[in-house]
Amino acid sequence: AQKVTQAQTEISVVEKEDVTLDCVYETRDTTYYLFWYKQPPSGELVFLIRRNSFDEQNEISGRYSWNFQKSTSSFNFTITASQVVDSAVYFCALAPSNQGGKLIFGQGTELSVKP
Amino acid sequence: EAQVTQNPRYLITVTGKKLTVTCSQNMNHEYMSWYRQDPGLGLRQIYYSMNVEVTDKGDVPEGYKVSRKEKRNFPLILESPSPNQTSLYFCASSKHGTSGPTVNEQFFGPGTRLTVL
Repeated sequence: AQKVTQAQTEISVVEKEDVTLDCVYETRDTTYYLFWYKQPPSGELVFLIRRNSFDEQNEISGRYSWNFQKSTSSFNFTITASQVVDSAVYFCALAPSNQGGKLIFGQGTELSVKP
Repeated sequence: EAQVTQNPRYLITVTGKKLTVTCSQNMNHEYMSWYRQDPGLGLRQIYYSMNVEVTDKGDVPEGYKVSRKEKRNFPLILESPSPNQTSLYFCASSKHGTSGPTVNEQFFGPGTRLTVL
């Protein structure tokens, strides 16, 4: 079975703290893609990152960084020096390469950053 | 501006009254999909389309229909809505990969909040 688990339902931090959102996935495919999306209070879904299964290099984009570890089937997302504007629901998603682009989403983690 | 649009954004209806939620994209994307978002369940795929006249079921297709007569449009049809279809619906599109089994990022519409009484 293919599945994405985001065990943290809600996280609350104070501004400027670092926070890591966990994502664990299950798949037997050797080729797949992993994504993170952000859903701010306004409701839209914003694409953050795509990573394919052959690229385990970690990525940094400003205050955002992602740690992909195939050995533990994890694709964690860290926000450094969090800001109030980071408050949102964050979704991790898995896309097997042979299923027509289908995204399998985790349950989402609601991040609240307080001033 | 490149975008995916959905209409209506909000809809309250009654059980059994047929409705259509429209979805349109202006990015010439081949792939389009519908998801529903429910608390604690994340987003689940309802139907998807790889190209014009090619559609297939996702994980939760019961009670829904779709069509893809034009590349830009992918309407979601609820022939006889029921209260368990009350949800937040998202349409998405993406470009097919240019090499092998590439999966590109999906661009999402703003969502349609549907309430079925």
